[in-house]
Amino acid sequence: QVQLVESGGGVVQPGRSRRLSCAASGFTFSNHNMHWVRQAPGKGLEWVAVIKHDGSNEAYADSVKGRFTVSRDNSKNTLYLDMSSLRPEDTAIYYCARVQVPYASMVHFDYWGQGTLVTVSS
Amino acid sequence: EIVLTQSPGTLSASPGERVTLSCRASQSASTNVAWYQQKLGQSPRLIIHGASNRATGIPVRFTGSGSGTEFALTISSLQSEDFTIYYCHQYNNWPETFGQGTKVEVK
Repeated sequence: QVQLVESGGGVVQPGRSRRLSCAASGFTFSNHNMHWVRQAPGKGLEWVAVIKHDGSNEAYADSVKGRFTVSRDNSKNTLYLDMSSLRPEDTAIYYCARVQVPYASMVHFDYWGQGTLVTVSS
Repeated sequence: EIVLTQSPGTLSASPGERVTLSCRASQSASTNVAWYQQKLGQSPRLIIHGASNRATGIPVRFTGSGSGTEFALTISSLQSEDFTIYYCHQYNNWPETFGQGTKVEVK
């Protein structure tokens, strides 16, 4: 069965960096575009970033552009989010999510991980 | 950027009642809208995609409708497990965006 397991969250000081990982299993990871979506405590969902199935292209929300980098290692079935210059407003649960249709962009998400909490605080 | 506005923010209803949640887009999203259900402490779960297609395993009491700028999620007879938060999501235009959510609570 499809599984997405995020890791790497924790408490980080403002201005520092953090890498999140999302380990995928149960499907052909290299066939699917993948997204990061975050949710601040008690708030709604915010799209963060997307990366194409082959890693050839990515896109970011304006709120993280220039500070966050999404990447993937298809040989390890793992998605990454490198976050730098972290701010208190980046505090959130970070979810990875799979685009349902292989090789497709602009499609809904059919599987989400359980999320990993990043708290930016001194 | 397409802004999605969900209404109401909170909907109070009784078990067995029929309810309709609204999602309005600031510009056309065609039928590229999904609805997700999120229970406390859990990740979102896909309910509807393509505006009106029920996801695998979703009960028939959930119905999605709409196109363009007006979308709706109808629950025909609320069950206890349906009292939670629902989000709409548009994937027609970049950047993809979410509505702010509608909480369905017990009256």
